[in-house]
Amino acid sequence: EAGVVQSPRYKIIEKKQPVAFWCNPISGHNTLYWYLQNLGQGPELLIRYENEEAVDDSQLPKDRFSAERLKGVDSTLKIQPAELGDSAVYLCASSSQTSSTPYNEQFFGPGTRLTVL
Amino acid sequence: AQSVSQHNHHVILSEAASLELGCNYSYGGTVNLFWYVQYPGQHLQLLLKYFSGDPLVKGIKGFEAEFIKSKFSFNLRKPSVQWSDTAEYFCAVKGTGRRALTFGSGTRLQVQP
Repeated sequence: EAGVVQSPRYKIIEKKQPVAFWCNPISGHNTLYWYLQNLGQGPELLIRYENEEAVDDSQLPKDRFSAERLKGVDSTLKIQPAELGDSAVYLCASSSQTSSTPYNEQFFGPGTRLTVL
Repeated sequence: AQSVSQHNHHVILSEAASLELGCNYSYGGTVNLFWYVQYPGQHLQLLLKYFSGDPLVKGIKGFEAEFIKSKFSFNLRKPSVQWSDTAEYFCAVKGTGRRALTFGSGTRLQVQP
């Protein structure tokens, strides 16, 4: 079974430039998460999707960050414009949630390491 | 709000030594607790989890953790570590009804051969 796929794995950009990250979750997983992981810290949730609906985006800085999951499968996270402080690892995770299973294991992708110069 | 504290930021052990990594959480209701591991160059993967029942849970690779409700703790243990256990370990909590995890800041474990 293929895991969560993320691309690119590494990205270096100059500040004020836009950047986009892509995530393909495990097949059949209806819930998708984007996390931000700063150096020396644990992942922090940015946004969670159930199918194509963003059900928790309270931690997403909406002035510069946006995300979409148009067909309830792949997702894209965008930053425009990027700032120096956005340098971090952006993780995507997916899980299969149903009404009878309040929690199923989240599977993480390898992450995209963003460096903003 | 829920939060997680991992007090050991960097632990160095020799092979065959015993391991205990501390994890304390803050949440007013029922919680689910997790330990994730990230080996060098690899993605986060689940080590073990606690939902209910026996507070001593066993995970992969000989790891176990004990949920002590009165202490709000979920410490990770392994009786004898191996060089291959070198990794970063994250404790995480999920409150009832929430879907997302709240992670601690992680503990970097270095096992010397």
